[in-house]
Amino acid sequence: QSVLTQPPSVSGARGQRVTISCTGSSSNIGANHDVHWYQQLPGTVPKLLIYGYSNRPSGVPDRFSGSKSGTSASLAITGLQAEDEADYYCQSYDRRLSGWVFGGGTKLTVL
Amino acid sequence: QVQLQQSGPGLLKPSQTLSLTCAISGDSVSSNSAAWNWIRQSPSRGLEWLGRTYYRSKWYNDYAVSVKSRITIKPDTSRNQFSLQLNSVTPEDTAVYYCVKGFDDGVYYYFDDNWGQGTLVTVSS
Repeated sequence: QSVLTQPPSVSGARGQRVTISCTGSSSNIGANHDVHWYQQLPGTVPKLLIYGYSNRPSGVPDRFSGSKSGTSASLAITGLQAEDEADYYCQSYDRRLSGWVFGGGTKLTVL
Repeated sequence: QVQLQQSGPGLLKPSQTLSLTCAISGDSVSSNSAAWNWIRQSPSRGLEWLGRTYYRSKWYNDYAVSVKSRITIKPDTSRNQFSLQLNSVTPEDTAVYYCVKGFDDGVYYYFDDNWGQGTLVTVSS
C-alpha cells in the first residue's frame, strides 16, 4: 500500500487529454512538500517529468503539466501521442516517515 | 555528463547481506549540491526509496523507516563511489536496485535523470 495513491491505469485516444491523480495526506502533499513526477518507458529507468508541482526540466514538452490542490497533485498530458505510453509515478517527502515516498504508479495506454 | 555504474552480486540466500557499489563519473560523491541514493523497484512494492548519503561540511545519512535497522550507505571518497549494504535479506527484498543522484539546490530536492543501470537482486533459498 503506497503512501501516495495513484489510479493503476488511465487511457486516452491520440490527441486527447488525460490527467493522473496523486492523493496524499497532511504528512506529505498537504504539508506543502514538493511533488515530482516521473515517466518510466518500458525497459528504462524513471525520467524526471515535473518537479516542484509544476516545473518542467528542459527538454520536457509543454504538453506535460502539473498542479496541486490540498492533499492531492495531478499530472495532465495534452495532445496524447503514442510515445507517451508509459508508467507515471508521483513522489514527495513524508514527514511522518521522514523519507521520500512514491505513488504506486499509473500505466497510461494510448488508444 | 554524470554516469553511475553499479556492481555487485544478484543472487542471495535468505539471511545473507546484500552489497552493491555505485561508481560515479562526471560528478563527485562529496558534491554540495547532490545526494546519493539507493532506490529499489519490484512489482509488489513499486518504487521504494531506501536511503541516501550526502556531504554538507560533514557526512550525513538518511534511511527509510522500513529498512532502517538493516541498511548502511557509505561514501568512498578515494574511489568516488558509494555503497549499499542491506543485512538479513528475505525474499521480500527481491527487486531491481538502482543508485540515483538526488539534485539539491536548497529549494528543490528530486531524483534527476542520473540513474545506475539497475541490478536485479534475487533472494531465494
